[in-house]
Amino acid sequence: DTEVTQTPKHLVMGMTNKKSLKCEQHMGHRAMYWYKQKAKKPPELMFVYSYEKLSINESVPSRFSPECPNSSLLNLHLHALQPEDSALYLCASSQESPSGSTDTQYFGPGTRLTVL
Amino acid sequence: SQELEQSPQSLIVQEGKNLTINCTSSKTLYGLYWYKQKYGEGLIFLMMLQKGGEEKSHEKITAKLDEKKQQSSLHITASQPSHAGIYLCGAASRQAGTALIFGKGTTLSVSS
Repeated sequence: DTEVTQTPKHLVMGMTNKKSLKCEQHMGHRAMYWYKQKAKKPPELMFVYSYEKLSINESVPSRFSPECPNSSLLNLHLHALQPEDSALYLCASSQESPSGSTDTQYFGPGTRLTVL
Repeated sequence: SQELEQSPQSLIVQEGKNLTINCTSSKTLYGLYWYKQKYGEGLIFLMMLQKGGEEKSHEKITAKLDEKKQQSSLHITASQPSHAGIYLCGAASRQAGTALIFGKGTTLSVSS
């Protein structure tokens, strides 16, 4: 099973709202990722968690706050977003082997976020 | 930083025809991934290539990595409407651990 699940599938929020995106995998993967994808653009990395610790933050604004409660779950907390933050948010996971460059990342279906 | 260039940007082929998509890296590739995406959906993993000269096939899709490990191609034989979508090549960025950087994608349409 190579399934990564994401909820919700769609989310509409105002600029003053607080919401969270959820990602879950049961493949025993120890690396989890958040990517942001704007329309007609490739995914861009936001955060990487390795063994439940934040290892990479690609200079993402603080209105995005990631959390990894356990090895199977990854959340992205959203607060005071801007309309330009509207995008498809993709979660992925992979093994965390010593030769990380060849670990396959499996992606979830994404959450389509619209900020009004 | 590493960059991936994909060509063509878009492609329209008649059902049953063969096609090739290319991905060229500005640096040596340590792992090259091919994904397929339907618009607004997640990425579906197709294949991963690691060794120079490596070739992998799955159903009617074949991916190759050149000997110098800076270029990969994805070839679809006898295309079908189900092959339509956006094909993305991705590479492991040593500078960002195991995270991937992606090419801009190739949009494939298959007409019946």
